[in-house]
Amino acid sequence: GQQLNQSPQSMFIQEGEDVSMNCTSSSIFNTWLWYKQDPGEGPVLLIALYKAGELTSNGRLTAQFGITRKDSFLNISASIPSDVGIYFCAGQNPNDYKLSFGAGTTVTVRA
Amino acid sequence: ETGVTQSPTHLIKTRGQQVTLRCSSQSGHNTVSWYQQALGQGPQFIFQYYREEENGRGNFPPRFSGLQFPNYSSELNVNALELDDSALYLCASSTRDRTEAFFGQGTRLTVV
Repeated sequence: GQQLNQSPQSMFIQEGEDVSMNCTSSSIFNTWLWYKQDPGEGPVLLIALYKAGELTSNGRLTAQFGITRKDSFLNISASIPSDVGIYFCAGQNPNDYKLSFGAGTTVTVRA
Repeated sequence: ETGVTQSPTHLIKTRGQQVTLRCSSQSGHNTVSWYQQALGQGPQFIFQYYREEENGRGNFPPRFSGLQFPNYSSELNVNALELDDSALYLCASSTRDRTEAFFGQGTRLTVV
Protein backbone atom coordinates (compact mmCIF):
# COMPACT_ATOMS: atom_id res chain seq x y z
CA GLY A 1 0.00 0.00 0.00
CA GLN A 2 0.94 3.66 -0.11
CA GLN A 3 3.56 4.90 2.31
CA LEU A 4 3.08 8.44 3.55
CA ASN A 5 6.06 9.82 5.42
CA GLN A 6 5.24 12.73 7.64
CA SER A 7 7.90 14.90 9.25
CA PRO A 8 8.82 15.96 11.75
CA GLN A 9 7.34 13.31 14.04
CA SER A 10 7.02 15.89 16.83
CA MET A 11 7.92 19.47 17.56
CA PHE A 12 8.07 21.86 20.48
CA ILE A 13 7.53 25.46 19.51
CA GLN A 14 7.34 28.81 21.20
CA GLU A 15 4.03 30.66 21.13
CA GLY A 16 4.10 33.11 18.24
CA GLU A 17 6.48 31.04 16.10
CA ASP A 18 5.69 29.75 12.63
CA VAL A 19 5.45 25.97 12.16
CA SER A 20 6.12 23.88 9.07
CA MET A 21 5.50 20.20 8.48
CA ASN A 22 5.45 18.09 5.36
CA CYS A 23 4.29 14.83 3.95
CA THR A 24 5.81 12.77 1.13
CA SER A 25 4.47 9.75 -0.70
CA SER A 26 5.91 6.95 -2.79
CA SER A 27 3.04 7.38 -5.26
CA ILE A 28 1.01 10.25 -6.63
CA PHE A 29 -2.24 11.50 -5.19
CA ASN A 30 -4.96 13.56 -6.81
CA THR A 31 -6.08 15.04 -3.49
CA TRP A 32 -4.26 16.01 -0.31
CA LEU A 33 -6.03 16.72 2.97
CA TRP A 34 -4.73 18.00 6.29
CA TYR A 35 -6.44 17.09 9.56
CA LYS A 36 -5.91 18.00 13.24
CA GLN A 37 -6.74 15.58 16.02
CA ASP A 38 -7.10 16.48 19.68
CA PRO A 39 -6.83 13.80 22.41
CA GLY A 40 -9.92 11.61 22.56
CA GLU A 41 -11.44 13.18 19.48
CA GLY A 42 -11.73 12.36 15.81
CA PRO A 43 -9.66 14.17 13.17
CA VAL A 44 -10.99 17.57 12.08
CA LEU A 45 -10.51 18.66 8.48
CA LEU A 46 -8.33 21.77 8.14
CA ILE A 47 -7.55 22.15 4.44
CA ALA A 48 -8.26 20.24 1.22
CA LEU A 49 -6.06 20.53 -1.90
CA TYR A 50 -7.11 19.34 -5.36
CA LYS A 51 -4.56 20.56 -7.91
CA ALA A 52 -0.80 20.20 -8.19
CA GLY A 53 0.82 23.47 -7.18
CA GLU A 54 -2.30 24.68 -5.38
CA LEU A 55 -1.71 26.91 -2.36
CA THR A 56 -4.67 27.26 0.02
CA SER A 57 -5.10 29.16 3.28
CA ASN A 58 -7.49 28.78 6.18
CA GLY A 59 -6.84 31.54 8.71
CA ARG A 60 -3.30 31.07 10.04
CA LEU A 61 -2.93 27.78 8.17
CA THR A 62 -1.48 27.49 4.68
CA ALA A 63 -1.05 24.27 2.75
CA GLN A 64 0.42 23.46 -0.63
CA PHE A 65 -0.05 20.57 -3.04
CA GLY A 66 3.39 19.68 -4.41
CA ILE A 67 4.08 19.93 -8.15
CA THR A 68 5.11 16.26 -8.34
CA ARG A 69 1.77 15.27 -6.67
CA LYS A 70 3.83 13.23 -4.22
CA ASP A 71 4.12 15.76 -1.43
CA SER A 72 2.33 18.44 0.54
CA PHE A 73 3.25 21.05 3.12
CA LEU A 74 1.35 22.65 5.99
CA ASN A 75 2.40 25.90 7.63
CA ILE A 76 0.97 27.42 10.79
CA SER A 77 1.78 31.06 11.36
CA ALA A 78 2.01 32.82 14.74
CA SER A 79 1.23 29.67 16.76
CA ILE A 80 -1.03 29.88 19.80
CA PRO A 81 -1.62 27.37 22.63
CA SER A 82 -4.74 25.90 20.98
CA ASP A 83 -2.59 24.77 18.03
CA VAL A 84 -1.45 21.88 20.25
CA GLY A 85 -2.46 18.55 18.78
CA ILE A 86 -1.57 15.95 16.20
CA TYR A 87 -1.61 16.97 12.55
CA PHE A 88 -2.20 14.33 9.90
CA CYS A 89 -1.78 14.49 6.17
CA ALA A 90 -3.95 12.25 4.03
CA GLY A 91 -3.88 11.51 0.33
CA GLN A 92 -6.32 10.01 -2.09
CA ASN A 93 -5.39 8.11 -5.25
CA PRO A 94 -7.15 8.59 -8.55
CA ASN A 95 -10.11 6.18 -8.84
CA ASP A 96 -9.77 5.15 -5.19
CA TYR A 97 -12.01 6.62 -2.53
CA LYS A 98 -10.00 5.65 0.52
CA LEU A 99 -7.72 8.07 2.33
CA SER A 100 -4.15 7.05 3.17
CA PHE A 101 -2.83 8.78 6.29
CA GLY A 102 0.61 9.70 7.53
CA ALA A 103 1.67 8.82 11.08
CA GLY A 104 1.13 12.38 12.28
CA THR A 105 3.13 15.34 13.59
CA THR A 106 2.64 16.12 17.28
CA VAL A 107 2.80 19.84 18.01
CA THR A 108 3.36 21.15 21.52
CA VAL A 109 3.36 24.90 22.13
CA ARG A 110 5.32 26.47 24.97
CA ALA A 111 3.59 29.54 26.34
CA GLU B 1 -26.55 20.52 10.23
CA THR B 2 -25.65 17.55 12.43
CA GLY B 3 -22.16 16.13 12.28
CA VAL B 4 -20.99 12.53 12.33
CA THR B 5 -21.92 10.77 15.54
CA GLN B 6 -20.64 7.43 16.81
CA SER B 7 -21.74 5.13 19.58
CA PRO B 8 -20.68 3.96 22.01
CA THR B 9 -17.76 6.25 22.89
CA HIS B 10 -15.94 3.59 24.90
CA LEU B 11 -16.23 -0.17 25.02
CA ILE B 12 -14.41 -3.00 26.78
CA LYS B 13 -14.71 -6.51 25.37
CA THR B 14 -13.12 -9.87 26.06
CA ARG B 15 -10.99 -11.68 23.51
CA GLY B 16 -13.17 -13.90 21.31
CA GLN B 17 -16.30 -11.79 21.72
CA GLN B 18 -18.10 -9.87 18.99
CA VAL B 19 -18.72 -6.13 18.85
CA THR B 20 -20.95 -3.76 16.87
CA LEU B 21 -20.10 -0.10 16.50
CA ARG B 22 -22.54 2.45 15.10
CA CYS B 23 -22.24 5.61 13.05
CA SER B 24 -24.70 8.26 11.91
CA SER B 25 -23.43 10.16 8.91
CA GLN B 26 -23.48 13.92 8.52
CA SER B 27 -26.66 15.33 7.04
CA GLY B 28 -26.52 15.19 3.23
CA HIS B 29 -23.71 12.62 3.12
CA ASN B 30 -24.32 9.27 1.41
CA THR B 31 -20.93 7.58 1.82
CA VAL B 32 -19.50 6.15 5.03
CA SER B 33 -15.94 4.94 5.62
CA TRP B 34 -14.51 3.17 8.65
CA TYR B 35 -10.95 3.53 9.92
CA GLN B 36 -8.94 1.88 12.67
CA GLN B 37 -6.46 4.05 14.55
CA ALA B 38 -3.95 2.31 16.80
CA LEU B 39 -2.22 4.34 19.49
CA GLY B 40 0.41 6.66 18.04
CA GLN B 41 -0.52 5.94 14.42
CA GLY B 42 -2.58 7.44 11.67
CA PRO B 43 -6.00 6.02 10.78
CA GLN B 44 -6.01 2.89 8.61
CA PHE B 45 -8.81 2.36 6.07
CA ILE B 46 -11.07 -0.63 6.82
CA PHE B 47 -13.83 -0.27 4.22
CA GLN B 48 -16.30 2.13 2.66
CA TYR B 49 -20.05 1.85 2.08
CA TYR B 50 -22.09 3.55 -0.62
CA ARG B 51 -25.69 2.72 -1.53
CA GLU B 52 -25.70 0.05 1.15
CA GLU B 53 -22.88 -1.90 -0.49
CA GLU B 54 -19.21 -2.28 0.38
CA ASN B 55 -17.23 -0.14 -2.01
CA GLY B 56 -13.57 -0.78 -1.33
CA ARG B 57 -11.78 -2.57 1.47
CA GLY B 58 -8.43 -2.17 3.16
CA ASN B 59 -6.13 -4.88 4.46
CA PHE B 60 -8.46 -6.24 7.14
CA PRO B 61 -9.65 -9.85 7.59
CA PRO B 62 -13.25 -10.95 6.86
CA ARG B 63 -14.12 -10.92 10.56
CA PHE B 64 -14.40 -7.15 10.05
CA SER B 65 -17.73 -6.56 8.35
CA GLY B 66 -20.18 -3.74 7.96
CA LEU B 67 -23.58 -2.54 6.94
CA GLN B 68 -25.07 0.65 5.60
CA PHE B 69 -28.74 1.42 6.05
CA PRO B 70 -31.16 3.36 3.80
CA ASN B 71 -30.70 6.46 5.97
CA TYR B 72 -26.92 6.18 5.27
CA SER B 73 -26.05 5.27 8.86
CA SER B 74 -23.63 2.39 9.24
CA GLU B 75 -22.42 -0.38 11.52
CA LEU B 76 -19.01 -1.96 11.90
CA ASN B 77 -19.00 -5.52 13.22
CA VAL B 78 -15.92 -7.33 14.43
CA ASN B 79 -16.08 -11.03 15.25
CA ALA B 80 -13.66 -13.15 17.28
CA LEU B 81 -12.00 -10.13 18.85
CA GLU B 82 -8.25 -10.20 19.31
CA LEU B 83 -6.10 -8.14 21.66
CA ASP B 84 -4.65 -6.26 18.66
CA ASP B 85 -8.13 -5.04 17.75
CA SER B 86 -7.84 -2.57 20.62
CA ALA B 87 -7.91 0.83 18.93
CA LEU B 88 -9.91 3.95 18.20
CA TYR B 89 -12.46 3.19 15.49
CA LEU B 90 -13.38 6.17 13.40
CA CYS B 91 -16.30 6.66 11.07
CA ALA B 92 -16.13 9.28 8.33
CA SER B 93 -18.90 10.46 6.06
CA SER B 94 -18.72 12.21 2.72
CA THR B 95 -20.62 12.72 -0.51
CA ARG B 96 -19.78 10.58 -3.50
CA ASP B 97 -18.45 13.43 -5.61
CA ARG B 98 -16.36 15.11 -2.90
CA THR B 99 -13.18 13.86 -1.29
CA GLU B 100 -13.48 15.69 2.02
CA ALA B 101 -14.34 13.19 4.73
CA PHE B 102 -15.68 14.36 8.06
CA PHE B 103 -14.96 12.20 11.08
CA GLY B 104 -16.91 11.32 14.18
CA GLN B 105 -15.35 11.39 17.63
CA GLY B 106 -14.57 7.68 17.45
CA THR B 107 -15.23 4.61 19.58
CA ARG B 108 -12.40 3.55 21.85
CA LEU B 109 -12.43 -0.28 21.88
CA THR B 110 -10.35 -2.14 24.45
CA VAL B 111 -10.03 -5.92 24.14
CA VAL B 112 -8.84 -7.69 27.27
